[in-house]
Amino acid sequence: ETGVTQTPRHLVMGMTNKKSLKCEQHLGHNAMYWYKQSAKKPLELMFVYSLEERVENNSVPSRFSPECPNSSHLFLHLHTLQPEDSALYLCASSQEPLLAGGYNEQFFGPGTRLTVL
Amino acid sequence: SQKIEQNSEALNIQEGKTATLTCNYTNYSPAYLQWYRQDPGRGPVFLLLIRENEKEKRKERLKVTFDTTLKQSLFHITASQPADSATYLCALQKYNQGGKLIFGQGTELSVKP
Repeated sequence: ETGVTQTPRHLVMGMTNKKSLKCEQHLGHNAMYWYKQSAKKPLELMFVYSLEERVENNSVPSRFSPECPNSSHLFLHLHTLQPEDSALYLCASSQEPLLAGGYNEQFFGPGTRLTVL
Repeated sequence: SQKIEQNSEALNIQEGKTATLTCNYTNYSPAYLQWYRQDPGRGPVFLLLIRENEKEKRKERLKVTFDTTLKQSLFHITASQPADSATYLCALQKYNQGGKLIFGQGTELSVKP
């Protein structure tokens, strides 16, 4: 609906597993984002990719590893997660703000509901 | 540290009334302020953006005000409908920080028929 898709929609993993979240945008945007949304807490920005380069890493633990192979795809690789990492992980895309007048509206995917056992 | 606060309590109103949601911030000087709507199990959807030099912005039944002196934005939904029930998020953005948005925790709005 928004032009941003995420897979899988739901994921249950053990603390020793390795999994990946995938995001794809069909809007021709050149910036992509990963957010974490925990219950009753604000969205937390995790990573920003602009023109396929990582420009923001918001003090995220190394057990989260992003990858942006091109401007349409974004991955979040997960390994040895903790139960407190259980949350809704949202991907978003936008035009690069500095090329779009200094601001951007972001288009979000539906999210991946992650549960770490 | 920078802080954004939205109405912490859920807002319950009657259909047809005007809903007013508040977003207050401290230790921050945003160039832009955005409002998003989020339905359960879905990602946020952009509604409106207002610049620091704008006092008010309207879109259909929505109105946003931005007071940089009070460090506050108000979000109004007039003639509210049950379909307006959702969580509304405010987000702040600086001009020189690219796509970095700082979100409030959101206010849950429930419109009763």
